[in-house]
Amino acid sequence: GQQLNQSPQSMFIQEGEDVSMNCTSSSIFNTWLWYKQDPGEGPVLLIALYKAGELTSNGRLTAQFGITRKDSFLNISASIPSDVGIYFCAGRNTGNQFYFGTGTSLTVIP
Amino acid sequence: DGGITQSPKYLFRKEGQNVTLSCEQNLNHDAMYWYRQDPGQGLRLIYYSQIVNDFQKGDIAEGYSVSREKKESFPLTVTSAQKNPTAFYLCASRDRVTEAFFGQGTRLTVV
Repeated sequence: GQQLNQSPQSMFIQEGEDVSMNCTSSSIFNTWLWYKQDPGEGPVLLIALYKAGELTSNGRLTAQFGITRKDSFLNISASIPSDVGIYFCAGRNTGNQFYFGTGTSLTVIP
Repeated sequence: DGGITQSPKYLFRKEGQNVTLSCEQNLNHDAMYWYRQDPGQGLRLIYYSQIVNDFQKGDIAEGYSVSREKKESFPLTVTSAQKNPTAFYLCASRDRVTEAFFGQGTRLTVV
């Protein structure tokens, strides 16, 4: 099965810094999703993108659906300690199948 | 409150045993999914069901079985044929207008 290429694999940043992570695929998707997972918990949806070129914000989070429909990025501005966790991208194709990225582990140093 | 509940949160299995992981949702979602998560890897699809009494194999179905007798329930059985079952298992559900909503997960350990 397909897995999306997500980078970076891990990040260690100072509180207050901005964060950027991205996801690429060899296939086209019609939906891109970004989830956050806290340790020992299930992923929680942060942002959903449905249109190529779409830029959507959710508080300090901003995500974009790439024009080629094969990539997406997530930015977090002014990071805070509770941003710690693993961030996953996911793509959904026209067959309604989901594929997940390998995750970006974020550590925020106070 | 509507949601998706997985139980138990922690499960220990002896080698050669079958175990069943529970997933119940009261969101009235048609589709339900089971994923396996290993350290450093993304979520891998085990089985999914788009409607009651129907389910499809995902990418890593070998050694697992499911049933979908009720809309609310999608239990996953990890059989003795699954040679490396220690992992974190996640159940999700969605309908046509919502994205996948995940349960809290079950951590299965072989002892």
